[in-house]
Amino acid sequence: DTAVSQTPKYLVTQMGNDKSIKCEQNLGHDTMYWYKQDSKKFLKIMFSYNNKELIINETVPNRFSPKSPDKAHLNLHINSLELGDSAVYFCASSRGTGMNEQFFGPGTRLTVL
Amino acid sequence: SQKIEQNSEALNIQEGKTATLTCNYTNYSPAYLQWYRQDPGRGPVFLLLIRENEKEKRKERLKVTFDTTLKQSLFHITASQPADSATYLCALDPNAGNMLTFGGGTRLMVKP
Repeated sequence: DTAVSQTPKYLVTQMGNDKSIKCEQNLGHDTMYWYKQDSKKFLKIMFSYNNKELIINETVPNRFSPKSPDKAHLNLHINSLELGDSAVYFCASSRGTGMNEQFFGPGTRLTVL
Repeated sequence: SQKIEQNSEALNIQEGKTATLTCNYTNYSPAYLQWYRQDPGRGPVFLLLIRENEKEKRKERLKVTFDTTLKQSLFHITASQPADSATYLCALDPNAGNMLTFGGGTRLMVKP
């Protein structure tokens, strides 16, 4: 019974392509997030999505866009992939905003060639 | 500028000893701070949350302190075990909206 799941686990693609990573949570949470963890292991917030309200980290390029078909899903679309996009992407969820613990998915390792 | 700093060097300790990890922050006034554990190839797992008005929080062998004057949190694991070997991340929320900002993590290695 995986709480937060992501697909695919690995994604290898060419520069310039468009790709998507899917995320689903079965915890009944109403806030979901996307994080990027680079090669130096720094974990950085990209987006927070709560009840159709999107909060974007201002450093995230607009080639990245989250799409939420329903409360249990938050997919990440990336257009025109660049070498620097290679990283591990983590989805997470929490009960509301504020000081709530976050539950992370297993991560998707994206490699851009 | 705003920073969250954790010791980037690995901490090596002997089984049974107490591990102490440090998280220092600059130019933040967080209402709370969280600690997570991350194993290789996995997502972070929540361990503890401590509020600004709490000096100390405990959970089994774990203890977290939060000193808002020193702008520092300490994370202790007592009676450490090899299974405690992992990377430990501290995180705070600059704007109380659960958009966490993470430190770089400290890798802990507990040797039998």
